[in-house]
Amino acid sequence: EAQVTQNPRYLITVTGKKLTVTCSQNMNHEYMSWYRQDPGLGLRQIYYSMNVEVTDKGDVPEGYKVSRKEKRNFPLILESPSPNQTSLYFCASSLSSGSYEQFFGPGTRLTVL
Amino acid sequence: GQNIDQPTEMTATEGAIVQINCTYQTSGFNGLFWYQQHAGEAPTFLSYNVLDGLEEKGRFSSFLSRSKGYSYLLLKELQMKDSASYLCAVRAGHNDMRFGAGTRLTVKP
Repeated sequence: EAQVTQNPRYLITVTGKKLTVTCSQNMNHEYMSWYRQDPGLGLRQIYYSMNVEVTDKGDVPEGYKVSRKEKRNFPLILESPSPNQTSLYFCASSLSSGSYEQFFGPGTRLTVL
Repeated sequence: GQNIDQPTEMTATEGAIVQINCTYQTSGFNGLFWYQQHAGEAPTFLSYNVLDGLEEKGRFSSFLSRSKGYSYLLLKELQMKDSASYLCAVRAGHNDMRFGAGTRLTVKP
């Protein structure tokens, strides 16, 4: 089944404790992206990657890191999480950056205490 | 920068038609998207417009006017399962994707 997977789905952590949210797609998509979704603000892009070893900042990259060592994986790293990073995170992928349809993962609900 | 506005909430009756509007301001327009998001779930793609006019796909249609910075999503023959949030998104260039805050639609019997 073609899909985007994220792990973990739910995470409660404490300020300053490094964490990684994994994202993987099995559709051989070139383009991958991370968003956060907060009430009243909609989806905001954190980072995106146009292909392996090519990443760039989105609208709200502060406090986040990403890497794209393999085509299928695009992990999101929070080196020192803070409470304002409490949010719902979505990973998405598409065939290319110009594709019209993005496929979203199921989401990761992160709470930073 | 980009600014995308859509109503926060709408209510409609089962079997009726509802139109969800989206206005935007952007430089380098490269497509307008509508996504559906049920509560607690991921967004799913509904439609894409890059040229002016109406795109129809079953019960859903999407319209775009680039000169007015305006789009709408039309849902016909509403069903209870259409209760969801509808997200308008605009792409500038190839990579800059911006989403509106979403319109929460409630369909009542």
